[in-house]
Amino acid sequence: QQQVKQSPQSLIVQKGGIPIINCAYENTAFDYFPWYQQFPGKGPALLIAIRPDVSEKKEGRFTISFNKSAKQFSLHIMDSQPGDSATYFCAASSRSLVFGKGTRLSVIA
Amino acid sequence: EAQVTQNPRYLITVTGKKLTVTCSQNMNHEYMSWYRQDPGLGLRQIYYSMNVEVTDKGDVPEGYKVSRKEKRNFPLILESPSPNQTSLYFCASSPGPTTGELFFGEGSRLTVL
Repeated sequence: QQQVKQSPQSLIVQKGGIPIINCAYENTAFDYFPWYQQFPGKGPALLIAIRPDVSEKKEGRFTISFNKSAKQFSLHIMDSQPGDSATYFCAASSRSLVFGKGTRLSVIA
Repeated sequence: EAQVTQNPRYLITVTGKKLTVTCSQNMNHEYMSWYRQDPGLGLRQIYYSMNVEVTDKGDVPEGYKVSRKEKRNFPLILESPSPNQTSLYFCASSPGPTTGELFFGEGSRLTVL
């Protein structure tokens, strides 16, 4: 049973565009929501994370928006660059970290 | 340098031949976990460990064993590998599942013929 649903599966945007990746969860016990970025041939690496007591968090060009009542959260990448091309995973945690299925992002120049 | 080290990075084996993928971290982390990554399925947790001698099943534990005898090591054991265990495996560690960044190893690509 998938506990974190992520969409879209893949995304292509032009350089400078704002890709948005969405995730939804059911388990209200989750209290930590990170996003991981994975480049080909590498392990995932933490990009940004949020806890449910805030509705938005920004780090550089990356923003998480969190809607606790809807049990949804999303990643926005401002002014996207070709170097942002990677697979992005949302995740949620209580005792263990559960990942979404991932979104392959391609930013084309 | 803070890191999670997995070995081997690549392995081709045959059905039924026991193998162990080692994982070691040098960050004194309490929490360690194993994931497998398959196309279209994302990262699925196999087992995790909150501390030494404490392990628990993740979402896809069938066919795998783990042990946590020391804080730094968390080996993944395939007693009788089968072709459906062909996958990319990641070990990861963290101060805790909700208390900090999960650090991943570089991955171990396993092929079972």
